[in-house]
Amino acid sequence: AQSVTQLDSHVSVSEGTPVLLRCNYSSSYSPSLFWYVQHPNKGLQLLLKYTSAATLVKGINGFEAEFKKSETSFHLTKPSAHMSDAAEYFCVVSFPLFGGYNKLIFGAGTRLAVHP
Amino acid sequence: GAVVSQHPSWVICKSGTSVKIECRSLDFQATTMFWYRQFPKQSLMLMATSNEGSKATYEQGVEKDKFLINHASLTLSTLTVTSAHPEDSSFYICSARVGHPVYEQYFGPGTRLTVT
Repeated sequence: AQSVTQLDSHVSVSEGTPVLLRCNYSSSYSPSLFWYVQHPNKGLQLLLKYTSAATLVKGINGFEAEFKKSETSFHLTKPSAHMSDAAEYFCVVSFPLFGGYNKLIFGAGTRLAVHP
Repeated sequence: GAVVSQHPSWVICKSGTSVKIECRSLDFQATTMFWYRQFPKQSLMLMATSNEGSKATYEQGVEKDKFLINHASLTLSTLTVTSAHPEDSSFYICSARVGHPVYEQYFGPGTRLTVT
């Protein structure tokens, strides 16, 4: 079965310090993995994606994530947090269905707070 | 990048009435669109998959007669909440799928429905 676990529901950091948002997945297939960000009352924006190429994936706004198959993890990091990074972050796994379609499974989300 | 719009962004309706939400892909054609529901401080839950020119596929537990989905063209899918009740109040988000062989989903900004 496919599943996604975001290990922290809330993360709080000071501006300028590193950010780590943790995500573990379970998949019977080679997964595609995504991180999305959602600002209040907004839709989701794609930060980055892993699709079986390089294990270290660089995204927008200075975020990156590393796919570790042995640990079934896809943690999101950023060297230095900015106040505008405060938002909800979702780790998502995509797996194929019959007929060429795929389905997204969302993690529960991690709310990132950034303090001055 | 691919842009998905939703209309309206916010709607209030009285209990027992119906509400239609539109989802449009602005600069690309989408054979498949998805409808999600998000309760406050929770993750996204897939309601249904909408394929152009065919019937939508509903997730388990979603009432197809209550949440009517129409995907009449490659750029438009609509979700109609029929006989709305206060418990239908939620944030509804659509997305459109692009890409091959690995698909990405681009999300609309969401529609907040409040049923009084």
